[in-house]
Amino acid sequence: ETGVTQTPRHLVMGMTNKKSLKCEQHLGHNAMYWYKQSAKKPLELMFVYSLEERVENNSVPSRFSPECPNSSHLFLHLHTLQPEDSALYLCASSQDIYGGSGSTGELFFGEGSRLTVL
Amino acid sequence: GENVEQHPSTLSVQEGDSAVIKCTYSDSASNYFPWYKQELGKRPQLIIDIRSNVGEKKDQRIAVTLNKTAKHFSLHITETQPEDSAVYFCAASLGGGADGLTFGKGTHLIIQP
Repeated sequence: ETGVTQTPRHLVMGMTNKKSLKCEQHLGHNAMYWYKQSAKKPLELMFVYSLEERVENNSVPSRFSPECPNSSHLFLHLHTLQPEDSALYLCASSQDIYGGSGSTGELFFGEGSRLTVL
Repeated sequence: GENVEQHPSTLSVQEGDSAVIKCTYSDSASNYFPWYKQELGKRPQLIIDIRSNVGEKKDQRIAVTLNKTAKHFSLHITETQPEDSAVYFCAASLGGGADGLTFGKGTHLIIQP
């Protein structure tokens, strides 16, 4: 498997459930991201990790909890979600978080995990 | 923070015609402007990008222009083909890289046969 892979592709959960989304990148990149994609809205950056250190948390509710055990894996733990959290959650990676010095700014996205909260 | 506006939200063109999508940004310090294409049910993929020290960049049928004074940049697709049908997102970044990207809301481009 190459690129960025996400599991599961689809998830339906109740508001009291606890579940996790998984992302794995096989590109040797140093940075990983979680984005939320909702209809008619811009892609919303949720979390950024660089070399397994969280560098950004864009005021995301605590019911979303990220984990980055190593530079190839990223998790998003979900608990007590709300129906408005239903969306496509995209994982991405990039060579580094900053461009220049031979590093491009390209984001490589996974296929996404479609989450429905009932 | 940065704010990116993208227009139009939907664009329908005849196959073979050109398509232009426009974005404006608010922070004059932004220096990196990528464009991503997302086909239905697929992941977003980078199609072209431009940095603030360049005014125009071309790659076959697609081109991007940047006007730093007016703080706007545009995507131009010539000789459109059915496979160009997708949602296109513009973005702007202060750091020149992938972190800190602010995305536009997207343009749904429809190519009519």
